[in-house]
Amino acid sequence: DTEVTQTPKHLVMGMTNKKSLKCEQHMGHRAMYWYKQKAKKPPELMFVYSYEKLSINESVPSRFSPECPNSSLLNLHLHALQPEDSALYLCASSQRNTGELFFGEGSRLTVL
Amino acid sequence: DAKTTQPPSMDCAEGRAANLPCNHSTISGNEYVYWYRQIHSQGPQYIIHGLKNNETNEMASLIITEDRKSSTLILPHATLRDTAVYYCIASKTSYDKVIFGPGTSLSVIP
Repeated sequence: DTEVTQTPKHLVMGMTNKKSLKCEQHMGHRAMYWYKQKAKKPPELMFVYSYEKLSINESVPSRFSPECPNSSLLNLHLHALQPEDSALYLCASSQRNTGELFFGEGSRLTVL
Repeated sequence: DAKTTQPPSMDCAEGRAANLPCNHSTISGNEYVYWYRQIHSQGPQYIIHGLKNNETNEMASLIITEDRKSSTLILPHATLRDTAVYYCIASKTSYDKVIFGPGTSLSVIP
C-alpha cells in the first residue's frame, strides 16, 4: 500500500463551523505533513509531525489545529475559518532514509 | 533548506527530451536534490532524487553538476501527460522542512 488517503475530497463550511480533515497512510512512515495550496501557487508548508509529535509549525493561525493520534493518522481541525482560507489542503508522509514525500490527492476546502 | 531557482515555464515538443534546469547554489553537503511534479489539481508526485551522482529511474534522469550547484531533470521522451508543474527542492532525507518554490510549468506540445 503506497497511498496517502485524504478525506473528504471536498468540504464547504461556514465561518462559524467546526470541521476536520483526515489523512491516513499505512506505509509505516513516521513523518506526516500538512500543506496548503492556493490556485496557481506552490504548496505552502503548515505543519510537520515526526514520530507523532509536532516538530514544525510554520506560524499557522490557531484556527488550524493539527492532531496526530497515531503513526498512521493525521487530522487537521478547522474552526472559525475565513474565506481566504479556501484552498487545497495536502497531506504527505515520508520515511527517514529516503526522504521522498508521498502526497494524497488533497481536500478542497471552501469557506463561505 | 537551500533555496532553488527554476525558469517559470518551458515548452517541449511531444516525443522530444525535456530538460528542466534548477539552480541550488547554496545547497549544503547533506542536502539532496528532489524533483516532484504536480498535474493540475492533483497532489504532487515524487519523480527522483540524488546527492551527487547522476540518477535514473523509470520516469526520468537526474544530472547533478560536480559542484552540486545546479541540476537538470531529463524526461527522455515527453508525452502530453508530462504537462505539469515541476518542482526542484533541496532538502535533507531526515524529517525536515520541505519547502516548494514556484517550480517550472512544462507544456508538452503535440
